[in-house]
Amino acid sequence: DAGVIQSPRHEVTEMGQEVTLRCKPISGHDYLFWYRQTMMRGLELLIYFNNNVPIDDSGMPEDRFSAKMPNASFSTLKIQPSEPRDSAVYFCASSFPSLGASGGDYNEQFFGPGTRLTVL
Amino acid sequence: QKEVEQNSGPLSVPEGAIASLNCTYSDRGSQSFFWYRQYSGKSPELIMFIYSNGDKEDGRFTAQLNKASQYVSLLIRDSQPSDSATYLCAVKTSYDKVIFGPGTSLSVIP
Repeated sequence: DAGVIQSPRHEVTEMGQEVTLRCKPISGHDYLFWYRQTMMRGLELLIYFNNNVPIDDSGMPEDRFSAKMPNASFSTLKIQPSEPRDSAVYFCASSFPSLGASGGDYNEQFFGPGTRLTVL
Repeated sequence: QKEVEQNSGPLSVPEGAIASLNCTYSDRGSQSFFWYRQYSGKSPELIMFIYSNGDKEDGRFTAQLNKASQYVSLLIRDSQPSDSATYLCAVKTSYDKVIFGPGTSLSVIP
């Protein structure tokens, strides 16, 4: 099992450019999460999907951010246009529901290696 | 009041000592509680989870949960330099959302 795969690992771009981050979850996991981590704000949940459907996008900072999950094995997080304050490490994580739990539950989240984004 | 709070540290303990990490949460209906460890420059990894009041032990790690007081703690016995990392408390709230705390930085001094 290769774990959660993210690309690119590092991205340096200029303000105003479009940035697309990619994630491949662990096969069989039906929850997918996008997080952003900074020193100031810690680890923030941006959006999560269940069975490819966005469930909660309340953490998406503004309309410049969008996320899609066209199929069970791929998701993208897009920032357009990017700004210096978007500089952070972006993590993708996936998980499966716990057996015997109530509907919608999920347990251990497996994180990808992250994408370090720098917007100049 | 933040939903999940932790002492930011850094917490320094000598090698072989017990490290005690604490976490409080605001949503009384929270159901599940997780401790993640994050080494510098790496991604978080789960080390413990707990659902029921009381203690849960796994090797050198013990998670303690007190729902009435709305706190969860992590004890690391016989601390090793390799335990030096940031420890993130995560809480699954009653509205089905996992919230991470800001993390506590632990340094184990040889």
